[in-house]
Formats: sequence, structure tokens, C-alpha cells
Amino acid sequence: DVVMIQSPLSLPVTLGQPASISCKSSQSLVHSDGNIYLNWFHQRPGQSPRRLIYKVSNRGSGVPDRFGGSGSGTDFTLKISGVEAEDVGVYYCMQGTYWYTFGQGTKLEIK
Amino acid sequence: EVQLVESGGGLVQPGGSLRLSCAASGFTFSGYWMHWVRQVPGKGLVWVSRINNDGSTTNYADSVQGRFTISRDNAKNTLYLQMNSLRAEDTAVYYCTRDDADWGYFDYWGQGTLVTVSS
Repeated sequence: DVVMIQSPLSLPVTLGQPASISCKSSQSLVHSDGNIYLNWFHQRPGQSPRRLIYKVSNRGSGVPDRFGGSGSGTDFTLKISGVEAEDVGVYYCMQGTYWYTFGQGTKLEIK
Repeated sequence: EVQLVESGGGLVQPGGSLRLSCAASGFTFSGYWMHWVRQVPGKGLVWVSRINNDGSTTNYADSVQGRFTISRDNAKNTLYLQMNSLRAEDTAVYYCTRDDADWGYFDYWGQGTLVTVSS
């Protein structure tokens, strides 16, 4: 099974400051079709997950442009250019190249 | 507007059965693969099962293989998860989510339904 490791697991951030979350996979996520199926989700307390980023760097519909995804192979990053209050919650990376596995989650809180 | 609405959760004894439903609206249901993902309260997300557009292909996580059955009724725009031989470790919120193929697109999620397995 592909293991997804996120860091940090806890991320205190001052409003307006940038934030970055790392996600590393136990093997390359390059699919045989050439795509990398790496997504990022955000889950606010008491809510369902919401997809932010798909295929490494594509923002989903309605996702603010302060969210950006990057990476290749086994190393991926989600960056928030300036954290807003509504960004609190847990962020998950997920790979869909070899079945589906999620990272442990990174809890973002406001300092 | 795309909507996915789960139902059918509740309290069940170990060894019991439960059937979850996910009612879809606002999109062409038969055009999408569908998945179930679960989350133990306070813990992370875990993929459970998937089904293709016409229901001819189904797959399961090892932890539920042989006990859970995913199915769909495209005429009713509804996804199902039949859960048998339930265990305490199956206690979780179960979400349905859609996929435009089989790579985990997961652009819309339901609100989830809580399944509690306890005596």
C-alpha cells in the first residue's frame, strides 16, 4: 500500500501569514498514463471534506487563489499565501494513483 | 446544484447489518464512479469502496472485503452500501463522494452518516 506522510501534523499560523504543508508518498505517484493523482482536501470542524487541489496543482471550482499545490514524484506541498480565519481545520493529501490513501492530516489553527 | 445526501446510519450490535444510502441530485449520476469513504470521529479519512458508472465493477478495502457490498440504482440516482458482520472498528462517519473516472476526483461529498457498532 502507498503510505502518505504529512508534516507538520499541527500548524499554528498568524492571520495573514503564509503556511505550507508537506506530503510525501512511499512511492512515486506517476501513473502509467503520465498523470499524478495527488489531491488536497480541507475539512472544517463538523463538516465534510472539501477538495481544494486535484492532480497536484489544479485548483477546484471556487477555491481561492491563495491556495496552491506543487510537487512531483513523491514530494508534494500545499501552500496558503496568506491564512484567513476560514482556513482553520484539517488538511489532507490523498493519492489516487494506486487505489486511494490519505495522509494523517495537518491541523491548522490561528495563533 | 450537486447534492449527495447519505442516510441509513445508526446504532447496531456487533455482528449486525446496516444498509447506507446516498441520494444524488444535480448531476448525471450514471456518468460518475462513486465511492464510500469513512472517518472514525476525530481521526483521518479512509477509503472503503468504489463502483463504476454502470455497477459492473466494484472494489473494496481489505478491511471490509467480504462483509460490505456496494451497489447503485441509476434509475433512482442512489448509491448503496450494504454492511454485514459489523465490528466495533467499523464505527465511523460514512461519506459518499463522486469520481469522474477512477482516480479519486472526489469533488463533491455528502454530509456523512454515523454508524455506531456497539452492544
